[in-house]
Amino acid sequence: ILNVEQSPQSLHVQEGDSTNFTCSFPSSNFYALHWYRWETAKSPEALFVMTLNGDEKKKGRISATLNTKEGYSYLYIKGSQPEDSATYLCAFEETSGSRLTFGEGTQLTVNP
Amino acid sequence: DTAVSQTPKYLVTQMGNDKSIKCEQNLGHDTMYWYKQDSKKFLKIMFSYNNKELIINETVPNRFSPKSPDKAHLNLHINSLELGDSAVYFCASSPLLKVKGLSTDTQYFGPGTRLTVL
Repeated sequence: ILNVEQSPQSLHVQEGDSTNFTCSFPSSNFYALHWYRWETAKSPEALFVMTLNGDEKKKGRISATLNTKEGYSYLYIKGSQPEDSATYLCAFEETSGSRLTFGEGTQLTVNP
Repeated sequence: DTAVSQTPKYLVTQMGNDKSIKCEQNLGHDTMYWYKQDSKKFLKIMFSYNNKELIINETVPNRFSPKSPDKAHLNLHINSLELGDSAVYFCASSPLLKVKGLSTDTQYFGPGTRLTVL
């Protein structure tokens, strides 16, 4: 059983704050690390796929970094907006088979 | 146009009944999945099919049987429903069965089906 953990479980920030959260995953058999954004009553949507140690991806105010040797990824949101409120999921993809193992998610609430 | 669709969106049924949830994707993807969102809101893989062939089958009671009539459809049939089957079930699809070094398994999710067993 793969252990993919995210912290914190939930986070409340004020509009305009920058924030970050963590995903930790096994450092062996690493193939890729995925970040998804999941708004209430909608489907999870892919944000980033990261494959190389030291990778950094950016999409608007959201960025992510990857450390495969120590088994963690950070997701950063700069200048949070209420529309950023969602659950952010990371998913570990291992080298064998076609499978994602999801973390429990970090639930972000941005207060106006 | 909806990329991955599921029907029904809500399903309320009695214990012991048999029910099906349908999933269709119009993305031309080869691989489709069923996930169950448990009470802690974890997404847990149940099944995966590639081009109508079963490739992942997690430890799921055999009351759950996936059926893939073609690569655009993956339906989930559940026999003898139990109270513990109440959950949200998500279908997803991805472009390719992963070929190492060439692709990753980015998945596109349907809207979910909320199943309530009374």
